[in-house]
Amino acid sequence: DTAVSQTPKYLVTQMGNDKSIKCEQNLGHDTMYWYKQDSKKFLKIMFSYNNKELIINETVPNRFSPKSPDKAHLNLHINSLELGDSAVYFCASSQSILGELFFGEGSRLTVL
Amino acid sequence: KQEVTQIPAALSVPEGENLVLNCSFTDSAIYNLQWFRQDPGKGLTSLLLIQSSQREQTSGRLNASLDKSSGRSTLYIAASQPGDSATYLCAVKGGAGNMLTFGGGTRLMVKP
Repeated sequence: DTAVSQTPKYLVTQMGNDKSIKCEQNLGHDTMYWYKQDSKKFLKIMFSYNNKELIINETVPNRFSPKSPDKAHLNLHINSLELGDSAVYFCASSQSILGELFFGEGSRLTVL
Repeated sequence: KQEVTQIPAALSVPEGENLVLNCSFTDSAIYNLQWFRQDPGKGLTSLLLIQSSQREQTSGRLNASLDKSSGRSTLYIAASQPGDSATYLCAVKGGAGNMLTFGGGTRLMVKP
């Protein structure tokens, strides 16, 4: 059983397109996150949701819009993709805001 | 703003050696510290979580210590094996929004 699952695992698209990455967790956790790992492998928080409410938005362009339809899902929609958006995007979840984080396998986005 | 540094950035050791990975953070007001392992092209696997009130945690051949006042943590790996080869990431939780801030990682190679 995959605790935190993301789809798609790989995504190749053209500049200017709109794309979405989906994330689901079956751990019953209240808090979910999106992280971006750049080409230098550095991980940075993008968003954090607790009980479907946004609690962290870390200087992410408005082109990125997270959506949490319920506690088990946190999807990431990206408009007007740019070359610099190419990265691996990781979804994670934790029981609470202060809890241990569990990560998905990542979604590698390549913008051409 | 919290900054997390990991030294060394890369480490290569022969199989069987005991080794220590270092992590330092600038703001000692943390809730917890988490060590992760990341294999190439994969997600992050949680290894150990140390709460701010704890001094250390152990799991198998891994032992993590925390000295909150000095802003340091170490991950000790006993009797290293080739299967331990991966990138090890340290992350601290605290600050506004209780964000998890990552270090840059230590890339470990254990040679047979």
